[in-house]
Amino acid sequence: DTGVSQDPRHKITKRGQNVTFRCDPISEHNRLYWYRQTLGQGPEFLTYFQNEAQLEKSRLLSDRFSAERPKGSFSTLEIQRTEQGDSAMYLCASSLVMSTDTQYFGPGTRLTVL
Amino acid sequence: GDSVTQMEGPVTLSEEAFLTINCTYTATGYPSLFWYVQYPGEGLQLLLKATKADDKGSNKGFEATYRKETTSFHLEKGSVQVSDSAVYFCALSESAGKSTFGDGTTLTVKP
Repeated sequence: DTGVSQDPRHKITKRGQNVTFRCDPISEHNRLYWYRQTLGQGPEFLTYFQNEAQLEKSRLLSDRFSAERPKGSFSTLEIQRTEQGDSAMYLCASSLVMSTDTQYFGPGTRLTVL
Repeated sequence: GDSVTQMEGPVTLSEEAFLTINCTYTATGYPSLFWYVQYPGEGLQLLLKATKADDKGSNKGFEATYRKETTSFHLEKGSVQVSDSAVYFCALSESAGKSTFGDGTTLTVKP
């Protein structure tokens, strides 16, 4: 079991550009979560999937954000027309449905929007 | 909505000192409670958890007891080590595993 992986680990982009992040959960974990963490704060929930279905989205997830999990395995988070306020660490976590309260986190993708 | 309030940091202790990091929560139901730790340069790791009132979670010498009457889940360790220096996050999970986190408390342990 290799744990949750995220790619890239760091992304620097210019305002207005689109970016896409990938998350590979622990194999056989059917729930996958995205969180955002800004400096000095705890992670904030963005969205989660059970298998390929997106079951909940936070109000933090504006129309510029879209997440997919097409085959119920890896997931992507895309941010369109990035803004400086999007600069943050984007965290992915996964869990089993049977143990939904134990989430395993990836190392995160740090986004810097110039 | 759900919320978690953590003791503000940073906290600086000498090695072998006693540690307490306070955490209180607000939830509409009966959440599970967690402490996560983030070591420098690493991702969030689950430290311990408790799923119902009066449960005690423990791991690596750390303990926390789920107190429903005071809506608290304080983290304690009897004797801290330099290697315990990290950021500690209290969190709750009430529905579908979605977690709500506190803002974190930075602990520095000096030799």
